Amino acid sequence: EPEVTQTPSHQVTQMGQEVILRCVPISNHLYFYWYRQILGQKVEFLVSFYNNEISEKSEIFDDQFSVERPDGSNFTLKIRSTKLEDSAMYFCASSPPAFMRGTDTQYFGPGTRLTVL
Amino acid sequence: AQTVTQSQPEMSVQEAETVTLSCTYDTSESDYYLFWYKQPPSRQMILVIRQEAYKQQNATENRFSVNFQKAAKSFSLKISDSQLGDAAMYFCAYRSVDFGNEKLTFGTGTRLTIIP
Repeated sequence: EPEVTQTPSHQVTQMGQEVILRCVPISNHLYFYWYRQILGQKVEFLVSFYNNEISEKSEIFDDQFSVERPDGSNFTLKIRSTKLEDSAMYFCASSPPAFMRGTDTQYFGPGTRLTVL
Repeated sequence: AQTVTQSQPEMSVQEAETVTLSCTYDTSESDYYLFWYKQPPSRQMILVIRQEAYKQQNATENRFSVNFQKAAKSFSLKISDSQLGDAAMYFCAYRSVDFGNEKLTFGTGTRLTIIP
């Protein structure tokens, strides 16, 4: 069964450094998302991406964050200058095209644990 | 804005017994989707079950079923014949049907412990 994959599984970085988190969505999906989960808290929406542009973003997704689909398979989240409070689990998700049944369902990757020191 | 509330931070159930996890939500929309996701210790988010609000029939997936009460804005998850592998955090989530508003809004989760 197709899965969303994410790399790396764990990233440790120094405060102020740039990080890029990578995701490979399910191949025929067209909608992509990033969420984050601070340890012990609920999952929070960051951004959604469709047709090579951001379709929605939360207030968390400020100028320090950016997303990109550099090729036909990868979807990346970049944090330009990491802060201590960016330490969290980051989940990528994808959902099918509108003409497919279940387009409302988002399938999550295993997450990248980001630790900012 | 929609909100999702899970009032039970922790629940426990004896193996093979049945447990119900509660979820309520607030919305002004008439059509939407509701989901339950499971997060085991590995922290992966796994879809358990989905419900379309315009369908009155409660969704069922094997041992998992929901009790969807639209008027009460309630969406509880029932796990029958609980197994050790069901131990996890369970998150309820809401999604609008509107294009451009596909984000999931999650509750705070319920940690389910299975007692052998």
